[in-house]
Amino acid sequence: DIQMTQSPSSLSASVGDRVTITCRASQSISRYLNWYQQKPGKAPKVLIYATSSLQSGVPSRFSGSGSGTDFTLTIDSLQPEDFATYYCQQSYSTPLTFGGGTKVEIK
Amino acid sequence: QVQLQESGPGLVKPSETLTLTCNVSGGSISTYHWNWIRQPPGKGLEWIGYIYYSGSTNYNPSLKSRVTISVDPFKNQFSLRLNSVTPADTAMYYCARSSSVWDNWFDPWGQGTLVTVSS
Repeated sequence: DIQMTQSPSSLSASVGDRVTITCRASQSISRYLNWYQQKPGKAPKVLIYATSSLQSGVPSRFSGSGSGTDFTLTIDSLQPEDFATYYCQQSYSTPLTFGGGTKVEIK
Repeated sequence: QVQLQESGPGLVKPSETLTLTCNVSGGSISTYHWNWIRQPPGKGLEWIGYIYYSGSTNYNPSLKSRVTISVDPFKNQFSLRLNSVTPADTAMYYCARSSSVWDNWFDPWGQGTLVTVSS
């Protein structure tokens, strides 16, 4: 199985901050890396797929980069609605696996 | 637009079988992979497996011995059976569609259904 490791597991930030979350795969996954946002009591929602493609309707302050084993999700100018938990997921091979999540909290 | 809705018992006894159904509306279940994903309370996400409308499946090896996913194209729904459940199977269970048969990111998702395993 491909293990996905996210860091940090949690962070505190202020509205307007730039936030970066990293995700590392235990082996190369090319660019088969996806990012989700989950708010309490809700299902996850895809933000970015294939490393850097923005899902329709997702604000452009979200961006993704990376390849191989190291990936990042960046949120430019954090907004109040962005406080949530973020997960990465590899779709390179089955079993499909997720990172442990990064909780973004209000400072 | 495609919408997914899970249904099934919210409480299952230990050693019994968990059975959930995902109803797909607003689109056909033909094409795409259809997934089950779960999330224990306060924890992360675990992919359980997927099925193609033809009936071919792919399961997480960690659950493979206990899992069956089936599809009913005529009813536009697919189902999950998990045998011999224990309290460790207590989780929110989501159904979700894969983006395509060539890539498996998940969109859309159902709202989820909480299943508690307890006597």
